[in-house]
Order: sequence, then C-alpha cells, then structure tokens
Amino acid sequence: GENVEQHPSTLSVQEGDSAVIKCTYSDSASNYFPWYKQELGKRPQLIIDIRSNVGEKKDQRIAVTLNKTAKHFSLHITETQPEDSAVYFCAAVGGYNKLIFGAGTRLAVHP
Amino acid sequence: ETGVTQTPRHLVMGMTNKKSLKCEQHLGHNAMYWYKQSAKKPLELMFVYSLEERVENNSVPSRFSPECPNSSHLFLHLHTLQPEDSALYLCASSPGQGRGYTFGSGTRLTVV
Repeated sequence: GENVEQHPSTLSVQEGDSAVIKCTYSDSASNYFPWYKQELGKRPQLIIDIRSNVGEKKDQRIAVTLNKTAKHFSLHITETQPEDSAVYFCAAVGGYNKLIFGAGTRLAVHP
Repeated sequence: ETGVTQTPRHLVMGMTNKKSLKCEQHLGHNAMYWYKQSAKKPLELMFVYSLEERVENNSVPSRFSPECPNSSHLFLHLHTLQPEDSALYLCASSPGQGRGYTFGSGTRLTVV
C-alpha cells in the first residue's frame, strides 16, 4: 500500500545551523508533496509544498527538493531559530487527494 | 481560525457512552477527512469523503461511524470506545486536485 517514510524522528540543532528532514514515498503516481509544521498543542499547518513538475522550491529560510526518480523529497531549513522548534510532517498525495503522512520529525533548536 | 472548526475541543467519555465529534468548513472545499493522531501512529487516516460520498475507510473499527450530510459538515459518531482510542482527532478539508489540506484544531478525546 501507499507509504511515506520520514527521517530522522528527532533532530537537535544549534540556533543558526541548518536542518534537513528527508522523506521517501512508495506510490509512483504521487504528484504533490506538502510539508506541515505542528507546534505543541496546535493543529498541523502547511508551510511549503512542491509538485512533481518542479525539482526545488524555496520560501525565505525554507526550501524543499524533490527527486521523482528516487521517490525522495527533503525539507531544508536554514538559519534556524528557536521558534522553528516543532514537529514536522511530510506527506504525499494518493487517490482522492488523500494525504499519506510520514511519522514526523521533532526538531529542537537550541539558543 | 483557519476556516475549519471542530467541536468539542476536549471530550472525556466512558466506554459505554455515545458521543459525536463535529467538523465544519467554510472554505468551499469538496473533500473532508478524519485523522487520528496518537503517540504510536501520528496522523493516521481514518475516513475520506469526496463530494459527500465516503471514498475510503481505512480499516477503522465499526465503533467509529462517520457521517457527511453535506459538503460543509462532517461528523464522527463514537460508541463503546476503548481506552486505546484516546487520541487527538483531526478533521481536514481540501479543494482536491492535489492541493493542501486545512486542518481543524482537533478534539482531544480521552476514553475512561
């Protein structure tokens, strides 16, 4: 069945460093890959997304890359700040626009 | 508010109770979803409704019963739940066509 694997499960960085989260997906028909940020006690919120006809997308300190051949996509956060601390989920779209989520990465940014 | 409203925010129920979770979206989306979020299986898809028709039931136990009376409302009816059903239940909607979800704030359910 459809599956998304996400690594690492936890990530600890110093403020100002970069953070990278990686995901792989199984459904070769997937064509949309969003990333969500969930702060403690809050709802997941979309932070960036990428479609299969694009290899890279950037929005200020956040960028996402996609390798369709390898079925692999990654989230890059540069110049991390304490407010970036949260759980990040990758996802891949399946039939009926259902999103299959990765298990999440808990990012901690230390001042 | 994001345009997707869930009620109640918190719910404590006994194993013999019957309760319902409600989700309402004001975004004009045509698909709605129920997800269960727990420590063991984050963001686990439960049900998918597209144009008010259930199109996916992800092997969810029958003690969970969804209802979608129209494109703006989604319910999750609960009965004879187990303690392991305690979790955050998230509703989401999307406009379809490979576009992102908008999540509600969730209902934190505790089964005692």
